[in-house]
Amino acid sequence: NAGVTQTPKFQVLKTGQSMTLQCAQDMNHEYMSWYRQDPGMGLRLIHYSVGAGITDQGEVPNGYNVSRSTTEDFPLRLLSAAPSQTSVYFCASSSHYLDNSPLHFGNGTRLTVT
Amino acid sequence: DQQVKQNSPSLSVQEGRISILNCDYTNSMFDYFLWYKKYPAEGPTFLISISSIKDKNEDGRFTVFLNKSAKHLSLHIVPSQPGDSAVYFCAARGGADGLTFGKGTHLIIQP
Repeated sequence: NAGVTQTPKFQVLKTGQSMTLQCAQDMNHEYMSWYRQDPGMGLRLIHYSVGAGITDQGEVPNGYNVSRSTTEDFPLRLLSAAPSQTSVYFCASSSHYLDNSPLHFGNGTRLTVT
Repeated sequence: DQQVKQNSPSLSVQEGRISILNCDYTNSMFDYFLWYKKYPAEGPTFLISISSIKDKNEDGRFTVFLNKSAKHLSLHIVPSQPGDSAVYFCAARGGADGLTFGKGTHLIIQP
């Protein structure tokens, strides 16, 4: 069972570069989301999607774009990387945003921006 | 302003004893609470949850208690085992926009 798969696991970018963090789930989950984890800050919601074609902003959306063209995939794009975006990024999914099913997380992408 | 607070960054407990992790919240609209466990270099994994209409939920060695009037929940682990050493996140749901997480408590089980 693959669950939630994130690629790459590690990435180093220079300030101003762009990149896409990939996230795929094979559980046919409607709800997908992106979080970032910073030391002493817990996990903060960046963007989320309640279904294909629908996305919305979370707590810390600035500097990030998302799209949801299929149920399975939810990529996160950094448009112009900044050192403040150095973090560990987690993608998560659940069957539906209104039921009580828990979020399933990927293993994260560790991003360093120099 | 932090809506979910875990005021103890770390907690050390002897193997075999009870571990109690605490969490406070401020948003009365939260209707569902969860605990996640996280090992280094892995994503958080779901541990146990509780609906706001209940005050206790038990699953094996893990029990979550909810005190709505105090806006407080706690996770009890009995007995504590070495594999329980991890970071524990309290999370709360108040709508479609996902979970709000606390900053986490690093639990260390001493042999």
